[in-house]
Amino acid sequence: ETGVTQSPTHLIKTRGQQVTLRCSSQSGHNTVSWYQQALGQGPQFIFQYYREEENGRGNFPPRFSGLQFPNYSSELNVNALELDDSALYLCASSRWGQEVVGGYTFGSGTRLTVV
Amino acid sequence: QKEVEQNSGPLSVPEGAIASLNCTYSDRGSQSFFWYRQYSGKSPELIMFIYSNGDKEDGRFTAQLNKASQYVSLLIRDSQPSDSATYLCAVMDSNYQLIWGAGTKLIIKP
Repeated sequence: ETGVTQSPTHLIKTRGQQVTLRCSSQSGHNTVSWYQQALGQGPQFIFQYYREEENGRGNFPPRFSGLQFPNYSSELNVNALELDDSALYLCASSRWGQEVVGGYTFGSGTRLTVV
Repeated sequence: QKEVEQNSGPLSVPEGAIASLNCTYSDRGSQSFFWYRQYSGKSPELIMFIYSNGDKEDGRFTAQLNKASQYVSLLIRDSQPSDSATYLCAVMDSNYQLIWGAGTKLIIKP
């Protein structure tokens, strides 16, 4: 059983650029959630994807967008990068309905630095 | 705005003692409550979840939930240096979204 894989592990971007982060979900999972974790803070919910559609969104602007593919993998896209977007981006997969009993599997994260 | 509050610490506990971590939340519609452990630079890992009032024990860990007081805690017995980490409290709200606290840094001193 494979876990959640995120790529890349680290990247550095310039303010104003665009970035795409990728996540492959754990085998048997059909839901993907994305979180942003700034240094010294807890994760902040960005959005969740289920059946290739956005199913819930946190307090993030539209320049944060995502996709989920038929194989349940997912992308997070961020346009017009700002310095405050520097953070650890976490992807978590789950089987729909199992989240209430802690059924998330987290990836190792992508560390994004915006300069 | 839904909030989860934790004391940021650091909380320093001698090896072998009991570590007590606390969390309060604002959304009375919250359904499930989670404690995650996060080592520096790593992703969170689930320690325990609880959804009924009272205590839930798993090995050296005990989670306690009081919905009337909107309070959830985690006790770690026989603390070990390997328990040194940041402990994140997360609450699943009425929209099935996880709301996280900022975490408490725990240091176990040998």
